[in-house]
Amino acid sequence: DVVLTQTPVSLSVTLGDQASISCRSSQSLEYSDGYTYLEWYLQKPGQSPQLLIYEVSNRFSGVPDRFIGSGSGTDFTLKISRVEPEDLGVYYCFQATHDPFTFGSGTKLEIK
Amino acid sequence: EVQLVETGGGLVQPGKSLKLTCATSGFTFSTAWMHWVRQSPEKRLEWIARIKDKSNNYATDYVESVKGRFTISRDDSKSSVYLQMNSLKEEDTATYYCTTGGGFAYWGQGTLVTVSS
Repeated sequence: DVVLTQTPVSLSVTLGDQASISCRSSQSLEYSDGYTYLEWYLQKPGQSPQLLIYEVSNRFSGVPDRFIGSGSGTDFTLKISRVEPEDLGVYYCFQATHDPFTFGSGTKLEIK
Repeated sequence: EVQLVETGGGLVQPGKSLKLTCATSGFTFSTAWMHWVRQSPEKRLEWIARIKDKSNNYATDYVESVKGRFTISRDDSKSSVYLQMNSLKEEDTATYYCTTGGGFAYWGQGTLVTVSS
């Protein structure tokens, strides 16, 4: 199975600063169709996960442009510029390229 | 508005069975691929099952840890997807979510399954 390693495990950020989360895959996430099915989810306290980014860098409907996904192959990054209070929660990367699909272990974003 | 509502969770003894239901509305269910994802008490997320649509022969796939014990199914006439869970183990204790969409765009609120004697 594909292992997604997320770092850091937790992150404490001042409001207005940038946060960066890394997701490293144990194998390339580029599918045979040329797409890379790497997604990012945010789970806010007491809520279900919500989709932020799909196919590495595409923001889902309604997601602010402060959220920027990048990367290729096995290395991916989610950057959150100008962190706001509503950004707190746990961020998960997820791959849907290889069966079985797998999630990273999560990065908890806290506000200083 | 897209809605997914999971029901059927509860406390069950090891070795017993439970069936979860996810009732949906607000999108074209018949062409949607449906998934179940669970979240352990430690907050680890795990994709566990997928069922494709009729044009893909309702093909199913499972994570190894539930193969042979869990069965995903769907009823397009009721816009619902199910998860039959047999031979439950304590490590199956989790909140179970159904989800769908390009990317998992839509999620239910989850239903808690506790396996304990």
